Amino acid sequence: DTEVTQTPKHLVMGMTNKKSLKCEQHMGHRAMYWYKQKAKKPPELMFVYSYEKLSINESVPSRFSPECPNSSLLNLHLHALQPEDSALYLCASSQGDTAPLTQYFGPGTRLLVL
Amino acid sequence: QQQVKQSPQSLIVQKGGISIINCAYENTAFDYFPWYQQFPGKGPALLIAIRPDVSEKKEGRFTISFNKSAKQFSLHIMDSQPGDSATYFCAASMNSGYSTLTFGKGTMLLVSP
Repeated sequence: DTEVTQTPKHLVMGMTNKKSLKCEQHMGHRAMYWYKQKAKKPPELMFVYSYEKLSINESVPSRFSPECPNSSLLNLHLHALQPEDSALYLCASSQGDTAPLTQYFGPGTRLLVL
Repeated sequence: QQQVKQSPQSLIVQKGGISIINCAYENTAFDYFPWYQQFPGKGPALLIAIRPDVSEKKEGRFTISFNKSAKQFSLHIMDSQPGDSATYFCAASMNSGYSTLTFGKGTMLLVSP
């Protein structure tokens, strides 16, 4: 099973709202990732968690706050977003520090900020 | 040096034809080269991947050709079908405790019936 699940599928929020995106995998992977993808562009890395520790933060604004409660779950907390933050948010996971290096992506959450 | 250059940006192929997408990289530390297929509104799905010790890998109608000396790799889709119409991303990665993918800009493939 190579499934990464994400909820919700769609989210509409105002600029003053607080919401969270959730990601889950049961493949025993120890690395998890958040990406942002705009239309007709490749995914853009936001955060990497390795063994439940934040390893990479790609200079993402503080209105995005990641959390890794355990090795299977990854959250992205959203607060005071801007309309330009509207995008497809993708979660991915990989085994971690051993080959293969394959990242498996979830279906994404389509976010619209009004 | 971290870039992966992908071409063409878009491609139209007739049903039954061969679709070819090319990628080039600069960083010789890359040691894993996956291709992802993405349909509109969906997440990228791993299609096929190759490591630099292999010059070619085939899975069904999909083949990766890899030229280490030229730092180039390509995806060939044989007998292209309308259901193959999607955006294809090449990527490159190096093992650093976790994999960080450097993506090409993507190729929108349309297979006409």
